[in-house]
Amino acid sequence: DQQVKQNSPSLSVQEGRISILNCDYTNSMFDYFLWYKKYPAEGPTFLISISSIKDKNEDGRFTVFLNKSAKHLSLHIVPSQPGDSAVYFCAAVNNYGQNFVFGPGTRLSVLP
Amino acid sequence: DTGVSQNPRHKITKRGQNVTFRCDPISEHNRLYWYRQTLGQGPEFLTYFQNEAQLEKSRLLSDRFSAERPKGSFSTLEIQRTEQGDSAMYLCASSLETSGGSYEQYFGPGTRLTVT
Repeated sequence: DQQVKQNSPSLSVQEGRISILNCDYTNSMFDYFLWYKKYPAEGPTFLISISSIKDKNEDGRFTVFLNKSAKHLSLHIVPSQPGDSAVYFCAAVNNYGQNFVFGPGTRLSVLP
Repeated sequence: DTGVSQNPRHKITKRGQNVTFRCDPISEHNRLYWYRQTLGQGPEFLTYFQNEAQLEKSRLLSDRFSAERPKGSFSTLEIQRTEQGDSAMYLCASSLETSGGSYEQYFGPGTRLTVT
C-alpha cells in the first residue's frame, strides 16, 4: 500500500526550461510535505517543504504547490540547470514528525 | 560539526553474521531516524528517537533489528543473524524539533550493507 506515489520514474528537461515533478498521497492525515534531492552515493538533501495550511511555498528557483482536495503536490524548478539532475523524493509526515513516508522518487535529467 | 556522519560506509558480511552501524547526528538535533533504502525505492522508515527515547518503530523492524541512542547522542543499529534480504542502504537522519513544526531532516551518506 503506497501512501506516497510518484508516478513518473524519470523526466528529461532542456536546460532553462521548467521542470515539474508530481507527487500524490492517499493518507489525509499527512500534514507536512517535503521534497528531497539525492545525488549518487550521497544521502538525500532537503530541498523545500510545505505545511498543509498553505498551498504554495517558494524558495529561489524552487516552488512547491499543494492541492489538498486532490491530495497532490508538485515541485517546480525554474529555470532548470544541469546541476539539478538528480533523483527527487517527495515525503509526507504526520504525528508531529514521527512517521515519514517517502515516494519512490523521480529521476530528473536536465539536458544542456 | 558539518553534518550527519555514518560508519562504516560499506559493509559486506556473510549470512548469519551480526552487524552494527553507527550514526552521529548533528550535535544540537534531538530527533534521530533510521531508514532503509533499496534500489528504485524511496527511504523506508525503520525507527525514530526523540533524545534517548525510541518512540516509534516500523513493522519492518523485525526482532533481529535493534537500535539504541544512549544519552541522546550517537545511535547504533544492529542486525542479528543477517539475511540476504537485509542487503540495502541504511540511512540515518537527524532533525531539530521546533515550535514552528518544521520537520526538515538532514541525512547522512548511508551505510551500504551487502549480505552474501
